[in-house]
Amino acid sequence: QSVLTQPPSVSAAPGQKVTISCSGRSSNIGNNYVSWYQQLPGTAPKLLIYDNNKRPSGIPDRFSGSKSGTSATLGITGLQTGDEADYYCGTWDSSLSAGVFGGGTKLTVL
Amino acid sequence: EVQLVESGGGLVQPGRSLKLSCAASGFTFDNYAMHWVRQAPGKGLEWVSGISWDSAITGFADSVKGRFTISRDNAKNSLYLQMNSLRVEDMALYFCARGSSSYYYLDYFDYWGQGTLVTVSS
Repeated sequence: QSVLTQPPSVSAAPGQKVTISCSGRSSNIGNNYVSWYQQLPGTAPKLLIYDNNKRPSGIPDRFSGSKSGTSATLGITGLQTGDEADYYCGTWDSSLSAGVFGGGTKLTVL
Repeated sequence: EVQLVESGGGLVQPGRSLKLSCAASGFTFDNYAMHWVRQAPGKGLEWVSGISWDSAITGFADSVKGRFTISRDNAKNSLYLQMNSLRVEDMALYFCARGSSSYYYLDYFDYWGQGTLVTVSS
């Protein structure tokens, strides 16, 4: 059971937009920055979003992040088949003094 | 180019020990905290441990506390994870990841290695 809650799967058609939610509590998302990671099949995770809504260099602006209270959201617009991957949210939990992740969301681009 | 290359994984019996290594290149290693994150087969990511740039501060997930030790050798640009009293539930792909700060706590993970597989089985 992951500390952060994500939907197991989402799907949308190419060119469409999708959002992935990540729910936590005050000890984690509520008081710390959220990051998002993309894991393409058979590869290592890759940083997509940090500090709730910032994109590392090289990440297209089709990817966006937001946070409100104890929840965070990853948005992806202009979906491409190459976006099919598992997406994970992550943050720190001040009560656990540990890094925590969501269980991951599998994105299918139909 | 930042590169992180893990090694040391393999098949080990429950209760035995294993030491993982991560060789870093392409950045000033002693400017950054480093972490281990694992992924059990078919499962999600789990943060395992982090260490500050100077080894002064370390942290562990409750699931490994007291059994795993993290260390680094800045002269060798290397990160290590000593895993003792291994359990079946420790079986996973272990990733080395660079932290976003010098002190590990509240980091995000901006570069990841490809992982080294640890199999725990009798």
